Amino acid sequence: KAGVTQTPRYLIKTRGQQVTLSCSPISGHRSVSWYQQTPGQGLQFLFEYFSETQRNKGNFPGRFSGRQFSNSRSEMNVSTLELGDSALYLCASSWASGIGEQYFGPGTRLTVT
Amino acid sequence: AQTVTQSQPEMSVQEAETVTLSCTYDTSESDYYLFWYKQPPSRQMILVIRQEAYKQQNATENRFSVNFQKAAKSFSLKISDSQLGDAAMYFCAYIPLNDYKLSFGAGTTVTVRA
Repeated sequence: KAGVTQTPRYLIKTRGQQVTLSCSPISGHRSVSWYQQTPGQGLQFLFEYFSETQRNKGNFPGRFSGRQFSNSRSEMNVSTLELGDSALYLCASSWASGIGEQYFGPGTRLTVT
Repeated sequence: AQTVTQSQPEMSVQEAETVTLSCTYDTSESDYYLFWYKQPPSRQMILVIRQEAYKQQNATENRFSVNFQKAAKSFSLKISDSQLGDAAMYFCAYIPLNDYKLSFGAGTTVTVRA
């Protein structure tokens, strides 16, 4: 099976712009979670989607949003980018929500200048 | 709130030797999962091993094994016969049953000396 894929892998944006990141889960997986990784804060949970519904959201401002499509692919959007949004954004999938391990994609490295 | 603590920021091991990484967690839940993930310089997060809290037997995956002490809320990872490819940052992670959010420790960087 193909693993979790994320596009793009690298992105450079300017402060104030918006960005959309994409994640395709492992075939058959219906749960997609997003995490932000920074040197200072470590790995932090953003949100989780299952069957196109957001089930849980971490402690992030409303500028961070996401959605999931009927084929389980997910996108996350960050509007009005700030310098502090520079991070590695990791997507993870699992076959069901709330059960067991999550498998991660390679991440999208976002740099905000 | 659940917290995961990895008290060793860095560990160094000689090739072919054994290294043990520590992890403690705080939870009031009785059913949960624990994981060790490996993140090499490529940044791809790779699942190393998992442990279900209801299982008393410690999980093993080839050269990787855990020491799960539920009462002490401790979950250490032992890497035996260390190889150069084991060099990475290792994260301990926790998720309660039927929850959606993985909680990670701060990570331990493992260096393998040839």
